[in-house]
Amino acid sequence: SQQGEEDPQALSIQEGENATMNCSYKTSINNLQWYRQNSGRGLVHLILIRSNEREKHSGRLRVTLDTSKKSSSLLITASRAADTASYFCATGRQAGTALIFGKGTTLSVSS
Amino acid sequence: SAVISQKPSRDICQRGTSLTIQCQVDSQVTMMFWYRQQPGQSLTLIATANQGSEATYESGFVIDKFPISRPNLTFSTLTVSNMSPEDSSIYLCSSGTGALETQYFGPGTRLLVL
Repeated sequence: SQQGEEDPQALSIQEGENATMNCSYKTSINNLQWYRQNSGRGLVHLILIRSNEREKHSGRLRVTLDTSKKSSSLLITASRAADTASYFCATGRQAGTALIFGKGTTLSVSS
Repeated sequence: SAVISQKPSRDICQRGTSLTIQCQVDSQVTMMFWYRQQPGQSLTLIATANQGSEATYESGFVIDKFPISRPNLTFSTLTVSNMSPEDSSIYLCSSGTGALETQYFGPGTRLLVL
């Protein structure tokens, strides 16, 4: 079952703009992970944030986590056409256990 | 990071037949997971496979339909039995260990049932 909602469901932006995706979840978590999926292929792991962390950066990615609101956001700065993909958040109740996925955001970046 | 491969990458099958999907991890892992992604949807967990014990299935998935093997710490198979068009999906395996929080996914098996 899905853990929660992601919004927006779809996002269209121009190259160079920033893209922000939000994720909400329902239960307590150990970690939250963001993945990218291109055209129905396998999932590429982007970033993991633990429940005791509030913000993490990786290159052009910035993830925040607010456990009091049970929500997370993924910011992609200076978007490129190659960032066009579906983005999913997934939560883990414990380290190493199965993930529960959100519904995903489809990002389209046009040049 | 773990590198995970799956075979086959895609297949087209006739209804009523079965397909076995293989998942190979390049290192020993405690748990392996199987997910289904129906067209245009997110991922749903089918089952968790621990080596040496029966797989644990999520609500809505049963062993008769999705038998799983886990013969060692680097390999697992998922069989989709008596297929119908509703089974057309991408099937993905992933791995996790108690210490490793990051989960890595295989490239997926795209199944079309006619």
